[in-house]
Amino acid sequence: GNSVTQMEGPVTLSEEAFLTINCTYTATGYPSLFWYVQYPGEGLQLLLKATKADDKGSNKGFEATYRKETTSFHLEKGSVQVSDSAVYFCALSGMNRDDKIIFGKGTRLHILP
Amino acid sequence: NAGVTQTPKFRILKIGQSMTLQCTQDMNHNYMYWYRQDPGMGLKLIYYSVGAGITDKGEVPNGYNVSRSTTEDFPLRLELAAPSQTSVYFCASSYSELQGGYEQYFGPGTRLTVT
Repeated sequence: GNSVTQMEGPVTLSEEAFLTINCTYTATGYPSLFWYVQYPGEGLQLLLKATKADDKGSNKGFEATYRKETTSFHLEKGSVQVSDSAVYFCALSGMNRDDKIIFGKGTRLHILP
Repeated sequence: NAGVTQTPKFRILKIGQSMTLQCTQDMNHNYMYWYRQDPGMGLKLIYYSVGAGITDKGEVPNGYNVSRSTTEDFPLRLELAAPSQTSVYFCASSYSELQGGYEQYFGPGTRLTVT
């Protein structure tokens, strides 16, 4: 079945550091891929998405590229801020109508001033 | 628009009690979902609905029931609360099926403790 694996946290970085959070997936065909972010005490909200191979999703300085050849959708940001501290979830929605969205376990990110 | 609203925000239940978690969306979305979030475990789908009058089980439906009498509301019912149901519950909605890349909109969550 479909699955998502993302790097375990917590990840602690200093402000202005470069961020990468790895996400790989297993699925047949061409799933849609998402990154959601959860700020403390809140629900999840969509950060970015990509629906076909080689698409790049971007938002708020974050980017992720849909790599079919490596089945990956790694999240990157060139210079993180304290306000980026949150939990980040990689998610996948399969191609079949009966497929439901699958979330990774989440990666907690701490940014130090 | 208020988006997706959930009530209550917090609740403590005794074992064997029952309760209903309320969820309402004002975006006229057809699809609605209930998830539970356990520490370090990501989100697990409990139930979902593709429209009023239609519901189906997700990955972890045991111990829960849902109904969808209107497009806006999707309550989650716990009949006999157990400690294993201690979790944070999120309701979400989407305009259409997620295979099309549609995003889900999440409510703020309900933190439930069963003791």
